[in-house]
Amino acid sequence: EVQLVESGGGLVQPGRSLKLSCAASGFTFSNYYMAWVRQAPKKGLEWVATISTSGSRTYYPDSVKGRFTISRDNAKSSLYLQMNSLKSEDTATYYCARHSELNLNWFAYWGQGTLVTVSS
Amino acid sequence: NIVMTQSPKSMSISVGDRVTMNCKASQNVYNNIAWYQQKPGQSPKLLIYYASNRYNGVPDRFTGSGYGTDFTLTINSVQAEDAAFYYCQRIYNSLTFGSGTKLEIK
Repeated sequence: EVQLVESGGGLVQPGRSLKLSCAASGFTFSNYYMAWVRQAPKKGLEWVATISTSGSRTYYPDSVKGRFTISRDNAKSSLYLQMNSLKSEDTATYYCARHSELNLNWFAYWGQGTLVTVSS
Repeated sequence: NIVMTQSPKSMSISVGDRVTMNCKASQNVYNNIAWYQQKPGQSPKLLIYYASNRYNGVPDRFTGSGYGTDFTLTINSVQAEDAAFYYCQRIYNSLTFGSGTKLEIK
């Protein structure tokens, strides 16, 4: 059974940093592109980052480019999101998601999410 | 940047009715659309990919259609458990989501 378990969320002050983790199991982690998707309270979904199987390629929307860094450790079946210079608008539940077979761009598996609150 | 616009924002439907919700892309996205269902307090679930392909295990009352800029998710004979938010997503290049349609069951 595919499982994605996020951790690392919490309350952080504006301008500070936070690193999220996602522990994957139930599939060969190194074979799949992985992503982070966030959802602000009572709002819709926003794709945040994607990383290739080896980690050599990363993709971001303009809203987080230069502030967020996605990475992975295939030996540990773990995905990470380093978030720097956090803003109040980064407050959201952050989901870890697995790209589809053939690493196409839909997400069939999602974690339960970890809440990040950016506030002073 | 391509914008995905969903309509209506919300709808209230009776069990057994047929419901149609829309997703419009600001530019041609060919068939590069997915649909997700998200129930309160849960993670999203994939329903449809490449505009019309039903994902494994998704009931056949869910049907996706469309090409280019206009897409539709249809639910035939709505069930009480279909109450949720529904999101479309562009699945090429920038993976933009629509703002969602809330489906309530009367």
